[in-house]
Amino acid sequence: EAGVAQSPRYKIIEKRQSVAFWCNPISGHATLYWYQQILGQGPKLLIQFQNNGVVDDSQLPKDRFSAERLKGVDSTLKIQPAKLEDSAVYLCASSPRQTNTGELFFGEGSRLTVL
Amino acid sequence: AQKVTQAQTEISVVEKEDVTLDCVYETRDTTYYLFWYKQPPSGELVFLIRRNSFDEQNEISGRYSWNFQKSTSSFNFTITASQVVDSAVYFCALKKTASKLTFGTGTRLQVTL
Repeated sequence: EAGVAQSPRYKIIEKRQSVAFWCNPISGHATLYWYQQILGQGPKLLIQFQNNGVVDDSQLPKDRFSAERLKGVDSTLKIQPAKLEDSAVYLCASSPRQTNTGELFFGEGSRLTVL
Repeated sequence: AQKVTQAQTEISVVEKEDVTLDCVYETRDTTYYLFWYKQPPSGELVFLIRRNSFDEQNEISGRYSWNFQKSTSSFNFTITASQVVDSAVYFCALKKTASKLTFGTGTRLQVTL
């Protein structure tokens, strides 16, 4: 079974530029998550999708971050414009069940450096 | 509010030593779930275990064991006879029903020969 795919693995941009990350979850997984992991910290949930609907985006900085999952499969996370403090690893995860049991399958992440 | 504390930032052991990673949590709920995830250098978090708040039985899986004590709000993780492949960052996490996972700050384990 293929795992969660993410791209790009690494991205370096200057502040005020924009960036987009892509995630393809495990086939058949209804729930998709985007987490932000700042160096030395645990992952923090940015947004959770159930199929193509948003379940939780309470910690998403909506003035600069946006995410979509139009067909209920893959997803894109965009940052525009980026700030220095956005430097982090952006992890995508998916889970198979309707109910969030907490057992998530993670991708390898996209490491963003903002200069 | 819920919180997970992993006081050990980094632990270094020699192969074959036993090592315990500490996790202390805070929650006002009576129903909740506790987790351990492993993050190897490749970056992806790997699920290790889930415990619900009503099941305080300790669990053993090969060289891994978990000690859940509600009286001290702790969910500690022990690796017996550590190996170099165990080197990773380990995260403890807490989840209430129908809410998001709250991760601790992680403990980096370095196992050397």
